[in-house]
Amino acid sequence: DTEVTQTPKHLVMGMTNKKSLKCEQHMGHRAMYWYKQKAKKPPELMFVYSYEKLSINESVPSRFSPECPNSSLLNLHLHALQPEDSALYLCASSHGILRTYEQYFGPGTRLTVT
Amino acid sequence: EDQVTQSPEALRLQEGESSSLNCSYTVSGLRGLFWYRQDPGKGPEFLFTLYSAGEEKEKERLKATLTKKESFLHITAPKPEDSATYLCAVRASSGSARQLTFGSGTQLTVLP
Repeated sequence: DTEVTQTPKHLVMGMTNKKSLKCEQHMGHRAMYWYKQKAKKPPELMFVYSYEKLSINESVPSRFSPECPNSSLLNLHLHALQPEDSALYLCASSHGILRTYEQYFGPGTRLTVT
Repeated sequence: EDQVTQSPEALRLQEGESSSLNCSYTVSGLRGLFWYRQDPGKGPEFLFTLYSAGEEKEKERLKATLTKKESFLHITAPKPEDSATYLCAVRASSGSARQLTFGSGTQLTVLP
C-alpha cells in the first residue's frame, strides 16, 4: 500500500481564519513533506520532517506552521493567510532522507484564500 | 546550482502515436532521477526511479531511460488515459535533505 491521505480535499478560508490541513500515511515512512503547488508549476518544497523532527524549513512565512504529532501524521496549521497563498498543498512521505528514496504524494488539498 | 529542464512543455499525440519526453539535468552528483505522472488537481503519482546511466525501467506503455545528462520517458502506442503532466525530478549529492529538484513538466495530451 503506497497511500498518503490528505484532508480536506478543498478548503476556502478568509484571511482572518485559522484552519489546519491533515496528512496521514501508514507505510512506516519516517520522512514527511509539505509542498505547495501553483497552477502549471512544479511542487515547491515547504517543510521536511525526519523522525518527527523538523529538518528543513524552506523560509516559509510564519503564517504556515507545521506539526508532526507522530510518525504517521503531519499537520499544517494556517493562520492569517494571503490570497497569494491559494494553491494545491501536497503532502508526501518517503522511507527516510539520508538515502535516495522515492516520495509518495497524497491527493492534495486545494486551498482558496478569499 | 542543480537544474532540471523538461521538453517539450506540451505534446499532443494521436492515440497509438509513440513519442518521447526529455528531461535534461545538470547536477553535482546524481543520486537518483524520478518520473512522476500528475493528473489535473491531483498529487503526483510515482512512476520510476533511475540511479545510474544505462539503467532502464518499464511499466505498461512507459519506458524510462537514463544517460549521464538526460532521461527519456518513451510512450509506446499511447491511449487517451495517458494524458497527464509528466514531471521529472532529481536528487543530487548537494541536495541533502532537500531531496528533489523538479522540472517544469511536460503536459501530454493523447487524442482519440
